[in-house]
Amino acid sequence: DAKTTQPPSMDCAEGRAANLPCNHSTISGNEYVYWYRQIHSQGPQYIIHGLKNNETNEMASLIITEDRKSSTLILPHATLRDTAVYYCIVRAFTGRRALTFGSGTRLQVQP
Amino acid sequence: DVKVTQSSRYLVKRTGEKVFLECVQDMDHENMFWYRQDPGLGLRLIYFSYDVKMKEKGDIPEGYSVSREKKERFSLILESASTNQTSMYLCASRDRYQETQYFGPGTRLLVL
Repeated sequence: DAKTTQPPSMDCAEGRAANLPCNHSTISGNEYVYWYRQIHSQGPQYIIHGLKNNETNEMASLIITEDRKSSTLILPHATLRDTAVYYCIVRAFTGRRALTFGSGTRLQVQP
Repeated sequence: DVKVTQSSRYLVKRTGEKVFLECVQDMDHENMFWYRQDPGLGLRLIYFSYDVKMKEKGDIPEGYSVSREKKERFSLILESASTNQTSMYLCASRDRYQETQYFGPGTRLLVL
């Protein structure tokens, strides 16, 4: 898996957009960008993934730069329930391999 | 909506007890995983099942066994619980043609 770099922590005001960056400068052509989050004491939750086009679902948007060396997860209207650790992962389809998380970004949504 | 459930959120057991953790998914996924998560150590794979009755050891299988008799159900068994098995246990499932894993809520196990 390509290495990813995320800021250790970020704050965001409730109701504002949260923009979480991820650098993955060594990404390969067949590797996808995945985002998961983990709310305290809960299991990780899949958010979104993409290859090179921007993606949007009911939870978030994923913006991937044209050179694919970085991406941004956008939570358009952050709520207190979005306070969590967010993990950016880059990997190709692996078959049976386990998922591993780096240290992620701890997002604190402030009231 | 995808759903992975685990039999307990919190469990307290005594050293030497046999412990069963059960995971059920309703997405007809072939692949299921058991992980444990500890502070500073991240996610570590205990066992993986790629189909009914099929299993592979993960990175830390010692002290654990698994059972997959039905596609939707994957059980983790601690044959004789020890204090170093106190942890958060996470089950996940995945379609065999997709990379995305869907996790259950986790079971926080305390072994006294």
